[in-house]
Amino acid sequence: EDKVVQSPLSLVVHEGDTVTLNCSYEVTNFRSLLWYKQEKKAPTFLFMLTSSGIEKKSGRLSSILDKKELFSILNITATQTGDSAVYLCAVGLDSNYQLIWGAGTKLIIKP
Amino acid sequence: DSGVTQTPKHLITATGQRVTLRCSPRSGDLSVYWYQQSLDQGLQFLIHYYNGEERAKGNILERFSAQQFPDLHSELNLSSLELGDSALYFCASSVASSPYEQYFGPGTRLTVT
Repeated sequence: EDKVVQSPLSLVVHEGDTVTLNCSYEVTNFRSLLWYKQEKKAPTFLFMLTSSGIEKKSGRLSSILDKKELFSILNITATQTGDSAVYLCAVGLDSNYQLIWGAGTKLIIKP
Repeated sequence: DSGVTQTPKHLITATGQRVTLRCSPRSGDLSVYWYQQSLDQGLQFLIHYYNGEERAKGNILERFSAQQFPDLHSELNLSSLELGDSALYFCASSVASSPYEQYFGPGTRLTVT
């Protein structure tokens, strides 16, 4: 059965800290891995990764994929209270464009 | 704002009833995906339509059905509703060239009483 596991499930840090969120996967037909941010509404797209070892970066957020070890990390540096959200990892399957979702990491940034 | 619209925002109905949720994708997107998000099960893929044709089915109950119309808007029909169907229902859309990069609508919160 295809599955995506995120850790930790929740994390509380102080403003200015750096955090690393983890996503591991076991799927039969991997095509891509995606990160989304969900505040009190719809998930918003952050990154899509398809190749190992190539870092994607957007401001204070960055992500990298390891297709050999089947995981990805999302780093957030110099965290701000606006980074508080649930971060979702999803894996795209090659066969039908379906996304398999992890349970998410709930990140709380304290001022 | 992702450009994906969903109506209604909230829906309260009784068990056994039938409801229809509506989604309009971003301009130019041919694919529409439906997801259910509940507290205990996270985000679950229901069904994918591409240019009017069903492409993939996920964990969609037989009581649920969907369609995509020629103008590309989509409807998700939920019938014989049960308390456990209470959830957030999201629609997402994507362009053909990047199907995994999906953009979500604001969702419809369904409460079954």
